[in-house]
Amino acid sequence: DVKVTQSSRYLVKRTGEKVFLECVQDMDHENMFWYRQDPGLGLRLIYFSYDVKMKEKGDIPEGYSVSREKKERFSLILESASTNQTSMYLCASRMGGPMSNEQFFGPGTRLTVL
Amino acid sequence: DAKTTQPPSMDCAEGRAANLPCNHSTISGNEYVYWYRQIHSQGPQYIIHGLKNNETNEMASLIITEDRKSSTLILPHATLRDTAVYYCIVRANTGANSKLTFGKGITLSVRP
Repeated sequence: DVKVTQSSRYLVKRTGEKVFLECVQDMDHENMFWYRQDPGLGLRLIYFSYDVKMKEKGDIPEGYSVSREKKERFSLILESASTNQTSMYLCASRMGGPMSNEQFFGPGTRLTVL
Repeated sequence: DAKTTQPPSMDCAEGRAANLPCNHSTISGNEYVYWYRQIHSQGPQYIIHGLKNNETNEMASLIITEDRKSSTLILPHATLRDTAVYYCIVRANTGANSKLTFGKGITLSVRP
């Protein structure tokens, strides 16, 4: 079974802190994604990566950066956390190629910024 | 990717079929229709996808209209565990880096 794991289920940080959210997948998938989910807004794509060291902005990249140094790991970085970044963060991965269909999601990290 | 429109919520009785509608009137010829669902406190889960023909798997059936401007996800015998938010998404499969764009989805409540 494909497994997407996220480093923490719950995280509490203070305003201004640098925050790292880690995601690891074990199926050699080329594509990886970071979303945030907020009540009433659904899932919104922050960044995605379709290969090592490659990244593309999603719909709401402001305030975030990402790192993909190894194929299996995709990190989301909040350089200086703010209270409006309190949210559920979901990582996902998908096989590369035009016929790849299923996107696999991790369990999510609920981040609270105080 | 084309935008989709879903009603915000619906309910159905346990054991009955749940028919979840989705409009995607601006879908283009190379875009597929995908359905995912998200059970409370979990990440979204893939259900099914299709291009123009109707599709069925062990979880659900997908009916796409002939003009492809709308589709219906059918859960043939809904159970309480099917209570979730269901997302209808259209996405082109061309290009290795094509992405899914989730809307707000439809909340399905299955009542006993």
